Formats: sequence, structure tokens, C-alpha cells
Amino acid sequence: NAGVTQTPKFQVLKTGQSMTLQCAQDMNHEYMSWYRQDPGMGLRLIHYSVGAGITDQGEVPNGYNVSRSTTEDFPLRLLSAAPSQTSVYFCASSYISGWAYGYTFGSGTRLTVV
Amino acid sequence: QQPVQSPQAVILREGEDAVINCSSSKALYSVHWYRQKHGEAPVFLMILLKGGEQKGHDKISASFNEKKQQSSLYLTASQLSYSGTYFCGTANTDKLIFGTGTRLQVFP
Repeated sequence: NAGVTQTPKFQVLKTGQSMTLQCAQDMNHEYMSWYRQDPGMGLRLIHYSVGAGITDQGEVPNGYNVSRSTTEDFPLRLLSAAPSQTSVYFCASSYISGWAYGYTFGSGTRLTVV
Repeated sequence: QQPVQSPQAVILREGEDAVINCSSSKALYSVHWYRQKHGEAPVFLMILLKGGEQKGHDKISASFNEKKQQSSLYLTASQLSYSGTYFCGTANTDKLIFGTGTRLQVFP
């Protein structure tokens, strides 16, 4: 049972480049979300999904796109990377809703934009 | 909208107790508590649902006062393994919003 798998673990991008952070879970969780973590600011919600085909914005969605074509996968796309997007990104999943069950987090992707 | 956690940092000797507080300005469906060790992902500790309840997990317990929109995490007889940053997360929709964290250091 792998849980939540994020790839890559580390990435360096140049300003203006685009990329996709991958997130997959094998727990048959309906709910998935993306957070970014910056020093002193805790975890901030980027986008979330309550099921395949349904996504919505979190606290800091600008500059990021998501889609959810399957229950298992929830990729995060950076459209045109900026230095302000340098952060650690965590994907998380939960059984059904975003409020009723605990979250399982992936190990994170450390992204640096130069 | 982000919940407020206090204190920001706590330093303990093994065996001492600590309380971490979490306060929200909105009515809540639930409060979550997570612990994150340096360089690792957050790990789920417990969830408290609206209705006002208290939960225990070994020597770590929590309470949720729905009317005051406040939750507290209680760590008793602290162990070295309790060191890390503790986050509360509050939800009044499907969005779980985290506080800025409380850094806990336990020394021998």
C-alpha cells in the first residue's frame, strides 16, 4: 500500500517554464488537494477536488491549474513558473469530504524557480 | 480566515506538559491536528467534529469548543518523539485551512 505518491521529489525550473507535479493515491480516496508550504506561513491550500471531474480553488490558486480525470490522480500544473512559486508542494487525500476525515499527505515536491 | 495558533513555539523538558491552542473566526464543521517533523510530510493526529467533543490518543488529547470556535491540543508527559511542528486545520466547507503552526522542542 503506497498511500500518496508525489513525483518528482525535487525540481529546478527557470522563470517562465511550465511543468506538472504528479500526485497519485491508491487508497480509493475521493477527496484530494494540493498545498504549498513556505517558511512561517504554514500550509496554504491551492486547489482541491471532491471527486473525479470536480475541482475547485483554494486560498492561493493563481498561477496553477488542476484537473481530475480519475479517482487516483490529481496533477498540479504550473503554467509559467515565477520565483514566488518556489516552495514545497504537498498533495493530500482523504476518504470522502475535505472536513470529515483525516488527510494522508505525500512526501512533497521541493520546487525552486530561478 | 486562517486559524490562529498559540503559542508560536514551546520548549519542554521530557515529562513536562504542553497545551497548544487554535482559534477560528468562523463556525466550524471540524478541527484537525497534524504533526510535522523537519523535512517530512505532516502526519494526521486526530480530528474533532462539531458537536463538541474531546479525544485522546495515548498521551495526546484534544478538545473542541464549537461555540467558541476553539480547539486545544494537550500533550502530557512529553517524550523526545513529540518534537516537531504542530498544525491545526479548520474546516467549515470542503476546504481545510491550516494555522501557521506551533514549534515544539522537547529536550532530555
